[in-house]
Amino acid sequence: DVKVTQSSRYLVKRTGEKVFLECVQDMDHENMFWYRQDPGLGLRLIYFSYDVKMKEKGDIPEGYSVSREKKERFSLILESASTNQTSMYLCATVGWGNAGQGVLKLYTEAFFGQGTRLTVV
Amino acid sequence: KQEVTQIPAALSVPEGENLVLNCSFTDSAIYNLQWFRQDPGKGLTSLLLIQSSQREQTSGRLNASLDKSSGRSTLYIAASQPGDSATYLCAVRASGSRLTFGEGTQLTVNP
Repeated sequence: DVKVTQSSRYLVKRTGEKVFLECVQDMDHENMFWYRQDPGLGLRLIYFSYDVKMKEKGDIPEGYSVSREKKERFSLILESASTNQTSMYLCATVGWGNAGQGVLKLYTEAFFGQGTRLTVV
Repeated sequence: KQEVTQIPAALSVPEGENLVLNCSFTDSAIYNLQWFRQDPGKGLTSLLLIQSSQREQTSGRLNASLDKSSGRSTLYIAASQPGDSATYLCAVRASGSRLTFGEGTQLTVNP
């Protein structure tokens, strides 16, 4: 069974704290993502990684950084938490598949973790 | 920039009804499109993935279609049940591995 596991379901942190959100996948997927989800704004991409030690900024990277030291683990870091970072954080993974019929590779389904509800007070 | 729109934003139907959720996207050069379900306070559960070369995918009571040229996808739910109540999200993969999401349709199926 496919598994994307986020380290916490709920977190409460104080303003100014450094916060680590961890995501671990067991599917050997190359690509991993961090999104945040807010009412009225939908899902917004923070950062993604397409390989170990590789990372790219998404649409809203400010105030965040990431780390991918191993293929199965992708960490999101809030350098100095602020109240406007209170949100639902979602990790996702996508792999490559062999489609056959002359198509070498296709992106497979994206799988998501259960989400981390972060509150910054 | 890819934009994804889902209509309607909310839908309430009686149990047993067949229903259609709509998704449109602005850039037709997509790799694939995926439908998700999200229950309140939870992560996203994958329902169906349609590759750009495909026209439709089916899973149980769910059928998703894709018309790339017109930038549209529909999710058809047959014989709806109260357990289908959730928010349904569509997402397209247009460049690289990143997904762009619509804002979702909140579905309520009344017993």
